Amino acid sequence: ILNVEQSPQSLHVQEGDSTNFTCSFPSSNFYALHWYRWETAKSPEALFVMTLNGDEKKKGRISATLNTKEGYSYLYIKGSQPEDSATYLCAFLTGANNLFFGTGTRLTVIP
Amino acid sequence: ETGVTQTPRHLVMGMTNKKSLKCEQHLGHNAMYWYKQSAKKPLELMFVYSLEERVENNSVPSRFSPECPNSSHLFLHLHTLQPEDSALYLCASSSREGLAGVNEQFFGPGTRLTVL
Repeated sequence: ILNVEQSPQSLHVQEGDSTNFTCSFPSSNFYALHWYRWETAKSPEALFVMTLNGDEKKKGRISATLNTKEGYSYLYIKGSQPEDSATYLCAFLTGANNLFFGTGTRLTVIP
Repeated sequence: ETGVTQTPRHLVMGMTNKKSLKCEQHLGHNAMYWYKQSAKKPLELMFVYSLEERVENNSVPSRFSPECPNSSHLFLHLHTLQPEDSALYLCASSSREGLAGVNEQFFGPGTRLTVL
């Protein structure tokens, strides 16, 4: 079992604030890094799949960067809104076809 | 609507029962997955099916038995479970090109299982 760490575990921000959180993963045997958003009582929803070192992806106010050499990815949310409240999961794919998830960062945006 | 459905949404069973969880995807995907989420633990990959063949089995106890009769349906057969098997069981699907996990996965809503 590989260690995928996410920090912080939880986060409260005011509406309109920008925020970011971190996913750390082993720097060897890397194939892909996934980010998912999981709202309460809903299914996890894919945000990004990143495969190349230096990748930057953006979807609306959410963006992510990837550094495979040092083993981390950042997720940024610009101008947080209450609807951004969710748990954000990252998952690391190894060459052996195993997808290892972190425990997530639980974001609460206060109106 | 995610295109991946799971039934039942909630299940309570005794340790001697036999039950099955069902997953169905309408997205034309060719890979399907079972995950387990226990309280305060990360999502754990249990099984991967690609083109209806099992390609991954992450040391899951034999009391969990998957079945994939076609590319749209996935079952998880449960028998003689233990209370520690109580968890949320999620199904997911994706299109497979090479490694099954490279493409984004689409998740179902999960089955909340309680073993008494």
